[in-house]
Amino acid sequence: AQSVTQLGSHVSVSEGALVLLRCNYSSSVPPYLFWYVQYPNQGLQLLLKYTTGATLVKGINGFEAEFKKSETSFHLTKPSAHMSDAAEYFCAVSSGGTSYGKLTFGQGTILTVHP
Amino acid sequence: NAGVTQTPKFQVLKTGQSMTLQCAQDMNHNSMYWYRQDPGMGLRLIYYSASEGTTDKGEVPNGYNVSRLNKREFSLRLESAAPSQTSVYFCASRRQAGGETQYFGPGTRLLVL
Repeated sequence: AQSVTQLGSHVSVSEGALVLLRCNYSSSVPPYLFWYVQYPNQGLQLLLKYTTGATLVKGINGFEAEFKKSETSFHLTKPSAHMSDAAEYFCAVSSGGTSYGKLTFGQGTILTVHP
Repeated sequence: NAGVTQTPKFQVLKTGQSMTLQCAQDMNHNSMYWYRQDPGMGLRLIYYSASEGTTDKGEVPNGYNVSRLNKREFSLRLESAAPSQTSVYFCASRRQAGGETQYFGPGTRLLVL
């Protein structure tokens, strides 16, 4: 079985400040890890993903995440927040193989950016 | 490419009514999925179809049925709607190659009174 825990259902930062959204996972096999963003009344858009290889993954809109196997973490960061980053962010894990790409999602973190 | 499309965008039902949510993708993906999103619970998998002609239950299948009509289309049916099925429903499809990225539709907001 696989699971995802996102620490903090709400995160608030000032414009220009560091964004850090935390994600821990559990998986019995090497995982594929994803971060999705959801803007109000829209579907989910892929920010970035880790499959294999380099553990520091860069995504769209200046976001990046680092896969740390020893800590079972995949935290999302952005050096400088922008007002347009305000959205809900979801971390997800997939085990690949016969799981047929099924994703298990965390509960989501709502990011608020203050001027 | 339209990607993943869903109809309707919004629906209000009375308890006991039935309806079908439609999903189609034009990316030639093999696998398709239905999720529901509820506040504070993330997205939970209802049913999935690994390939045309196959369907399997996900985490929360009770009260739902699905049909993989062809490679493009995957529908979700509520036979007798209940207030607990008030939610936002997302359809997704998976890219065949690479790291199993799923692409999501815009969602259907369902209110059951």
